[in-house]
Amino acid sequence: AQSVTQLDSQVPVFEEAPVELRCNYSSSVSVYLFWYVQYPNQGLQLLLKYLSGSTLVKGINGFEAEFNKSQTSFHLRKPSVHISDTAEYFCAVSPANSGGSNYKLTFGKGTLLTVNP
Amino acid sequence: NAGVTQTPKFRVLKTGQSMTLLCAQDMNHEYMYWYRQDPGMGLRLIHYSVGEGTTAKGEVPDGYNVSRLKKQNFLLGLESAAPSQTSVYFCASSLSHKQFFGPGTRLTVL
Repeated sequence: AQSVTQLDSQVPVFEEAPVELRCNYSSSVSVYLFWYVQYPNQGLQLLLKYLSGSTLVKGINGFEAEFNKSQTSFHLRKPSVHISDTAEYFCAVSPANSGGSNYKLTFGKGTLLTVNP
Repeated sequence: NAGVTQTPKFRVLKTGQSMTLLCAQDMNHEYMYWYRQDPGMGLRLIHYSVGEGTTAKGEVPDGYNVSRLKKQNFLLGLESAAPSQTSVYFCASSLSHKQFFGPGTRLTVL
């Protein structure tokens, strides 16, 4: 079984400031890692994912995340945020071995990023 | 492509009533999922399907049933709604690890 902990439920920042949203996971097997974003009153959309290879992953809208296996972390970063980045961000994991039932995602509880002018 | 669509968008039920939420996808995806989202709880998997005619329980399946009679459709049923089932319900589909989400159904049970 896997679990995901998002360490901050809310992160307020000013426009053009850098931001880091923290995510730690626990799993007895190797995992794939994801960040999803949910804009107000919308469904979730994939921001970026780590399956294998380089531990620094770049996603849409200027976001990036770094997989740290020793610290079981997958923190999300952006060097300069915009008002339009205001949204809820979810970290998620799934088992790394392939197969339909292993595509299930376990989500963290979410971090609300609020970008103020 | 419409992607993943959900019907209805909003619904209010009385305790004990039944209803079915419909999820449809036009991407020919094998895998489909139903989640519920509650404040401060993230998304929790209710049921999922790895192909037409198959369903399996997720993390919080009690009080819900599902059916996948056609590959493109995944139905979520509430036989006897309870106030604890007030939530926003999201459907998703995938070919592999990338899941595509619908816009959600906001359900209130009085």
